[in-house]
Amino acid sequence: AQSVTQLDSQVPVFEEAPVELRCNYSSSVSVYLFWYVQYPNQGLQLLLKYLSGSTLVKGINGFEAEFNKSQTSFHLRKPSVHISDTAEYFCAVAGPSGTYKYIFGTGTRLKVLA
Amino acid sequence: GAVVSQHPSRVICKSGTSVKIECRSLDFQATTMFWYRQFPKQSLMLMATSNEGSKATYEQGVEKDKFLINHASLTLSTLTVTSAHPEDSSFYICSARPDPNQPQHFGDGTRLSIL
Repeated sequence: AQSVTQLDSQVPVFEEAPVELRCNYSSSVSVYLFWYVQYPNQGLQLLLKYLSGSTLVKGINGFEAEFNKSQTSFHLRKPSVHISDTAEYFCAVAGPSGTYKYIFGTGTRLKVLA
Repeated sequence: GAVVSQHPSRVICKSGTSVKIECRSLDFQATTMFWYRQFPKQSLMLMATSNEGSKATYEQGVEKDKFLINHASLTLSTLTVTSAHPEDSSFYICSARPDPNQPQHFGDGTRLSIL
């Protein structure tokens, strides 16, 4: 069985500062990893995904993440955040099962301060 | 990019009524769609996997007779909350994917409020 841990429930950061949102997963098999962003009262928007290949994945809005198999991590980073990045961020893992169902982390609320 | 449309975005109704929520994949066919429930300030919990042309697969603890799922075509899945009560109030989100090796694309969610 897979699981996902997002240790930080909230991350405050000043505008134009760098940020890292942490995600650790547990799985006995190969997995797919995703980061989604959710704005208030909206669905989820895909930021980036790791399916295979290069461990450094670049996504939309200047975000990137690095898949680290030995540390079972998939941390999300952005070198310089904007006020508009304030949102809830979810890490998800999907394993090679019949339906590739997602397991979501509990989410990290990123609050960008002026 | 892939677009998933969910309707309605918000529903307010009286206790005891049934509410239908639609989820459409606009620019791709989806043999599988997913229905999630999200409580305030919490993560998404998978309720069921909707399979085109066959019965939905429900997660443990989800009442099949309470949450009816129909996936009648490759672009449409519906979730009907039957005889809704205040405890069913929540944010319901659907997702769909073009194939199993591709990410899920999410609708904008439905805020259901039962009075």
